[in-house]
Amino acid sequence: NAGVTQTPKFQVLKTGQSMTLQCAQDMNHEYMSWYRQDPGMGLRLIHYSVGAGITDQGEVPNGYNVSRSTTEDFPLRLLSAAPSQTSVYFCASSRTSANTDTQYFGPGTRLTVL
Amino acid sequence: GQNIDQPTEMTATEGAIVQINCTYQTSGFNGLFWYQQHAGEAPTFLSYNVLDGLEEKGRFSSFLSRSKGYSYLLLKELQMKDSASYLCAVRPYNTNAGKSTFGDGTTLTVKP
Repeated sequence: NAGVTQTPKFQVLKTGQSMTLQCAQDMNHEYMSWYRQDPGMGLRLIHYSVGAGITDQGEVPNGYNVSRSTTEDFPLRLLSAAPSQTSVYFCASSRTSANTDTQYFGPGTRLTVL
Repeated sequence: GQNIDQPTEMTATEGAIVQINCTYQTSGFNGLFWYQQHAGEAPTFLSYNVLDGLEEKGRFSSFLSRSKGYSYLLLKELQMKDSASYLCAVRPYNTNAGKSTFGDGTTLTVKP
C-alpha cells in the first residue's frame, strides 16, 4: 500500500491563479479530510468527506472547493489563490466513521502564493 | 467550540523523561489524540485516549482526565530522534475523526 499520496509536493502560484491539489489513498478508507498548517500552528480543517459523493465544510472552508467522485480521490481546488493561502496542506484518511479510527496523513503540499 | 492549550516549546536531555501537557475546553468530548510531527513531515499517530487513565505504548504513555480537561504525553528514555512537534487533538462528541480540533503543538528539542 502506498497509503495517502499528495501531489504536487511544492507549488508557487500568483495571486488570482487557480489550481487543484491532488490526494489519493489506496486503503479503501471512507473518510478523507483536508487540513492546512501555518507556521508554528496546529492543523485546521478545511473540508472533509464521509464517503464518495458526500462532502462537508470544516473550520476554514472559504476559498476552497472539494469533490469526492471516487473512494480513492479527494482533490482540493483553490478557486482564486490569495497570499493568505500560503501554507502547508495535508490530506488525511481514516477507515470508517467509528470514533476509534485514527487518521493517516499524506506527506503534504507546500504552497506559496505571491 | 474547542480550545486546546499546549506549551509552545520544551527542551530535555537524551535519556531523560519529559511530560508534555495538554488542556482543553470543549462543548463535548469523545476522545483525545496525540500525534508526532517531525519538521517538514506529516503528523503520525501516537495514541488515543477516550477513558480516564494511562495508556502505555513502549517508551510513550498518554494520560487523560476528562473531569479536569487534561491530558499529558510522557516520553521515557528520550532519544535524539524524539525531537519533533507533538500535537494534541480533541474529537468532539458524536463526530468522526475528520473533525478533530488540533492544538498548536509543542516543539520538543532533545539535547545530548
